[in-house]
Amino acid sequence: DVKVTQSSRYLVKRTGEKVFLECVQDMDHENMFWYRQDPGLGLRLIYFSYDVKMKEKGDIPEGYSVSREKKERFSLILESASTNQTSMYLCASSLWGGDTEAFFGQGTRLTVV
Amino acid sequence: AQSVTQLDSHVSVSEGTPVLLRCNYSSSYSPSLFWYVQHPNKGLQLLLKYTSAATLVKGINGFEAEFKKSETSFHLTKPSAHMSDAAEYFCVVSQTSYYGNNRLAFGKGNQVVVIP
Repeated sequence: DVKVTQSSRYLVKRTGEKVFLECVQDMDHENMFWYRQDPGLGLRLIYFSYDVKMKEKGDIPEGYSVSREKKERFSLILESASTNQTSMYLCASSLWGGDTEAFFGQGTRLTVV
Repeated sequence: AQSVTQLDSHVSVSEGTPVLLRCNYSSSYSPSLFWYVQHPNKGLQLLLKYTSAATLVKGINGFEAEFKKSETSFHLTKPSAHMSDAAEYFCVVSQTSYYGNNRLAFGKGNQVVVIP
């Protein structure tokens, strides 16, 4: 089975801190994604990567950056955490191609205080 | 850009009655469409997908969806709701990025409550 693992289920950080969210997939997928999920807004794409060191902005990239140094690992970075970044963050991976399903991690619930 | 619209953010159904969740998409060409389900405190799971083969797609747990190009719709149905169907459901369309790769665009979701 495909496994997408996010390093933390729950995180509490202070305003202004630099925050790292880590995601690892074990199926050699080309694509990896970071979404945030908020009630009533569904999932919104922050960034995605289609290859090592390659990235593309999603719909809401402001305040975030990403890193993909190895194919299996995709990190989301909050440069200076703010309270409006309190949310559920979901990582996903998929094979290249429009008809391939994405596999999701369990999510990280981040609270910024 | 491709997008999906899910009406009825909250849907209540009685156990044993049909479930209908509506999804309309916009796309400049034939899209790939998906339905995902998220149970409380769980990750997202694929229910079914349409990729230009048969227009009636069967998924897991008795769900199915019909692709109607003329109506730009991909509604999700189940003949008889079960208590375990209480969850949030997302309709998703595959978008092509600048580099030719594809990413998924999510609707805002339907929160389904099943009444005993």
